[in-house]
Amino acid sequence: QVQLVESGGGVVQPGGSLRLSCAASGFTFSSSAMQWVRQAPGKGLEWLAVMSSNGNFERYADSVKGRFTISRDNSKNTLYLQVNSLRAEDTAVYYCAAGWQCDYWGQGTLVTVSS
Amino acid sequence: DVVMTQSPLSLPVTLGQPASISCRSSQSLVYSDGNTYLSWFQQRPGQSPRRLIYKVSNRDSGVPDRFSGSGSGTDFTLKISRVEAEDVGIYYCMQGTQWPKTFGQGTKVEIK
Repeated sequence: QVQLVESGGGVVQPGGSLRLSCAASGFTFSSSAMQWVRQAPGKGLEWLAVMSSNGNFERYADSVKGRFTISRDNSKNTLYLQVNSLRAEDTAVYYCAAGWQCDYWGQGTLVTVSS
Repeated sequence: DVVMTQSPLSLPVTLGQPASISCRSSQSLVYSDGNTYLSWFQQRPGQSPRRLIYKVSNRDSGVPDRFSGSGSGTDFTLKISRVEAEDVGIYYCMQGTQWPKTFGQGTKVEIK
């Protein structure tokens, strides 16, 4: 069955950086577009970024453009999100999702930005 | 950006009764390929989201047939024919036609 396992979250100071990972299994990762979506505590879902299966296409939400970078390693079946210049408002659970229309979701990893 | 507006935001329902959630988009969601990329997601308490419906009316594998999606253009609906206890949670619509993808605010379904 499809499994997406996020990791790399934690507590970071404002201005800090993290690299989030999403390990995929149970489907052909190298053929699947992948996305990142986040959810601030008690809030709704916010789409962040997408990358095509071969990495040639990517898009970002304006709120993270220039600070976050999506990437993937198809040899490792892993998706990444490099998050830089973190702000308090970036505190959220970060989910990876498989497919152009977010077919499958992971369990999320919590990022807390606090001094 | 395409704005997705859900209503109601809170929906108390009696077990066994139907429920309906509306989702309206600020622009048509018909893509150049003729498809309409409108999806519905369920987020049960303490869980990650799960897709229920894609391209307006197609149920994902394993989704009970009491869930149905309909609509076109800018006006969409998710219906639950008979609400069960396991349906409690927050439901989101999402448009996948234009970048950036955008979600509705969410509708909280609870049992009366």
